[in-house]
Amino acid sequence: GEDVEQSLFLSVREGDSSVINCTYTDSSSTYLYWYKQEPGAGLQLLTYIFSNMDMKQDQRLTVLLNKKDKHLSLRIADTQTGDSAIYFCAENESGGYNKLIFGAGTRLAVHP
Amino acid sequence: EAGVAQSPRYKIIEKRQSVAFWCNPISGHATLYWYQQILGQGPKLLIQFQNNGVVDDSQLPKDRFSAERLKGVDSTLKIQPAKLEDSAVYLCASSPTWDTQYFGPGTRLTVL
Repeated sequence: GEDVEQSLFLSVREGDSSVINCTYTDSSSTYLYWYKQEPGAGLQLLTYIFSNMDMKQDQRLTVLLNKKDKHLSLRIADTQTGDSAIYFCAENESGGYNKLIFGAGTRLAVHP
Repeated sequence: EAGVAQSPRYKIIEKRQSVAFWCNPISGHATLYWYQQILGQGPKLLIQFQNNGVVDDSQLPKDRFSAERLKGVDSTLKIQPAKLEDSAVYLCASSPTWDTQYFGPGTRLTVL
């Protein structure tokens, strides 16, 4: 079945760039998403990319998609302490009703 | 625009008791989702409604979990009887059609 994998933890210095990586299995996914979850909160949609694109930029966020390798990454430029959170990658299941398959999340820690 | 509302935010019960969660989606959103997020994992879809009809409940433990969406707007998710392994955050999300999902803050359930 479909599976989404992420590294569990990333630590960066404030002001540096962060790169969070994700691999997925469903090559027919239409959209791939990045969500952010802060402690005690729900999931906040950060950005998404359509499967026929290979890059999308939105202010400090850059999403790169390599369909051949089924690899998705999220780059956060000039990382701030407020970016500390868990970041979830998700793919929508092909043939379904927009069912999302989530990875386990990457915890980003930003230190001064 | 008001977001997805959920209540209660926290609930503590003993095993074998019953519990119900409520969700009010974003106005006009036809699709409503309930997810279960166990600590340290990504959300997993339990059930998906399109208006007031169920389109996917393949991962809902139907012997103890039930859900309904009254008049295609609000929804309730019930667990009866609860087990220890049901301890999790229950997230509700909504989307206009087969589109981006917007999440509520979640209900954290602890089963003792």
